[in-house]
Amino acid sequence: SQQGEEDPQALSIQEGENATMNCSYKTSINNLQWYRQNSGRGLVHLILIRSNEREKHSGRLRVTLDTSKKSSSLLITASRAADTASYFCATADIQGAQKLVFGQGTRLTINP
Amino acid sequence: DTEVTQTPKHLVMGMTNKKSLKCEQHMGHRAMYWYKQKAKKPPELMFVYSYEKLSINESVPSRFSPECPNSSLLNLHLHALQPEDSALYLCASSQAGPPYGYTFGSGTRLTVV
Repeated sequence: SQQGEEDPQALSIQEGENATMNCSYKTSINNLQWYRQNSGRGLVHLILIRSNEREKHSGRLRVTLDTSKKSSSLLITASRAADTASYFCATADIQGAQKLVFGQGTRLTINP
Repeated sequence: DTEVTQTPKHLVMGMTNKKSLKCEQHMGHRAMYWYKQKAKKPPELMFVYSYEKLSINESVPSRFSPECPNSSLLNLHLHALQPEDSALYLCASSQAGPPYGYTFGSGTRLTVV
């Protein structure tokens, strides 16, 4: 079962611009995480935000969480060609927090 | 060591074959996971092991048989697979109990012929 819906499904921007991806989910969560996947290989953990947090930063990444709207956003600032990848949000349900369920993903392309 | 190592990277097997996928980590993580990912789709959870015990089986067909021989190793035994089982199989590990991020391996790309 898929928990998250991501928006947009695909995003293409110029290098140096900011990229924003959104994620919506359905159930109460323990935490929400964002992952990056290059070329269909392994996923890389980017950032985790707990249900009692509203915003978190890591380098050029900024994640927000609105539990009242059951939504999160990932902002990548000053994008680079190396940021080209698929980005997935994943939620750990408050009932079964050991089970991480992934959203549909956003395919991000950074044009030089 | 901060990696999850999966072998083999690629596997082609016939529908009557028996094969195994292997996953290894030395980060002291006590939770390990198998995910299946089809092309252009998100990863789907198959199994969760916590402290070497199977804690979650997402109604996976019995032709997939997981095994956790010790805290560092996770295997996925494959038998009598179907062509629709062709996918990228991802192993991940994490500290036990939320909230922790997962460390993923680079996956095994499986083709069933």
